Amino acid sequence: GAVVSQHPSRVICKSGTSVKIECRSLDFQATTMFWYRQFPKQSLMLMATSNEGSKATYEQGVEKDKFLINHASLTLSTLTVTSAHPEDSSFYICSARDRRRTGEGETQYFGPGTRLLVL
Amino acid sequence: AQSVAQPEDQVNVAEGNPLTVKCTYSVSGNPYLFWYVQYPNRGLQFLLKYITGDNLVKGSYGFEAEFNKSQTSFHLKKPSALVSDSALYFCAVRDPYFNKFYFGSGTKLNVKP
Repeated sequence: GAVVSQHPSRVICKSGTSVKIECRSLDFQATTMFWYRQFPKQSLMLMATSNEGSKATYEQGVEKDKFLINHASLTLSTLTVTSAHPEDSSFYICSARDRRRTGEGETQYFGPGTRLLVL
Repeated sequence: AQSVAQPEDQVNVAEGNPLTVKCTYSVSGNPYLFWYVQYPNRGLQFLLKYITGDNLVKGSYGFEAEFNKSQTSFHLKKPSALVSDSALYFCAVRDPYFNKFYFGSGTKLNVKP
């Protein structure tokens, strides 16, 4: 149980184009999903918190107009990198919070990640 | 503010030997501590967590972690390392108020045959 998928797993795009990444909770409902960015050999940096039916909450320094987040349903959140540039190349990982298992001991479940390369 | 620190960028151990990956934490309030493992080009997999109760927490794949309040540590351990344990390990603390996870910098574990 508690499987999170991401699509695509890898994407290469030209500079200036937009790329959409999907994050799905496959066997549970996620009221909250999180988007992280990971640079090579570095830790995960939280970009934003995505709440179903409401606007995402962005971390300081993350451009909300650059990284558009939509959480249209309890099982799907999307991250759109708009007008992508080479510096946006990174590994993007989502995680989801199981609405049935909230509380002190709750665990985040992570997707497999999406490798974005902007040429 | 919640934070965790992993003082070692890399840990090398021979297969069959015990391994320890270190983590120290700084939290306000009760600590909710986690260990995750990441294989190349993959997301993070949950290993174990400490919320309350016994200081020794057992998790997946034979891993365990010891919560030490006086030393503010939560070291990951395994009695006998396998080559397949080679991966990147992250310690994390959960902030229950903001429901966010804060990750350490990661420790690369290399298990040599």
